[in-house]
Amino acid sequence: GPKVLQIPSHQIIDMGQMVTLNCDPVSNHLYFYWYKQILGQQMEFLVNFYNGKVMEKSKLFKDQFSVERPDGSYFTLKIQPTALEDSAVYFCASSFWGGFAEQFFGPGTRLTVL
Amino acid sequence: GDSVTQTEGPVTLSEGTSLTVNCSYETKQYPTLFWYVQYPGEGPQLLFKVPKANEKGSNRGFEATYNKEATSFHLQKASVQESDSAVYYCALSDGNYNQGKLIFGQGTKLSIKP
Repeated sequence: GPKVLQIPSHQIIDMGQMVTLNCDPVSNHLYFYWYKQILGQQMEFLVNFYNGKVMEKSKLFKDQFSVERPDGSYFTLKIQPTALEDSAVYFCASSFWGGFAEQFFGPGTRLTVL
Repeated sequence: GDSVTQTEGPVTLSEGTSLTVNCSYETKQYPTLFWYVQYPGEGPQLLFKVPKANEKGSNRGFEATYNKEATSFHLQKASVQESDSAVYYCALSDGNYNQGKLIFGQGTKLSIKP
C-alpha cells in the first residue's frame, strides 16, 4: 500500500538546540498531520496542514513548534528550541482528503532530548 | 474534550481463542470510529472504520459495531492467529468535516502464543 517515510528514524539532540523532523507523505495526498507519543502514553494529535496552512493545532503544539511543506517537498516539523519534554516518538500521517479519510502513517521518528 | 479509553494491555492469548478489546469514547460530536493496528517498527495502519451509528465494520476477521447508545466500539475476533500480535488502537474523528484530527485510545498490546 501507500507508504509514508520519515527521516531520521532516531534523533538525539541536546536541550535548547533546533531539530527538524522530515516526512515524505504519499504523493497525491493533500492533508498532513503530526502526532506525538511519549513512551507508554497515548498518541496525541499535534497539528494538521492543508494547502500551505495550519488548519488546527492542539495545546501540545507549543510556540517553539512550526510546520511547513515548501513546494511539495518534505513536510517538516521544526522544534526550536527543544526541551526535555519534547522527547517522544513523532508520527507523520497523510490523507487524500480531510474529515474521516484514512490516514497513512509513517514509522515514526524517535526524538531524544538530553 | 473528546476522549477514547480502551482495554489496558498487554493481553496475551493462545492461538485459536477469541479476542475482545473494549473501547469506549466520549464526544459531543457525531464521530467516525476507527480501529488501527501497529506492527513493530511500523506506523499505525487502518484496520477499518465505521462512520455511522449501529453499523459494523470488519476486516481480516476482526469486527466492531458502533454502539452510539453505549458509546462503545469493541473489537472482536473469533479465532486469533500468531500474526495478529500487534498493538491495536481505537480512535475517533469528530464531526468537523475538514479537520481530520484523530483522537486515539492508549493502545492495547496483543501477544498471541502459538
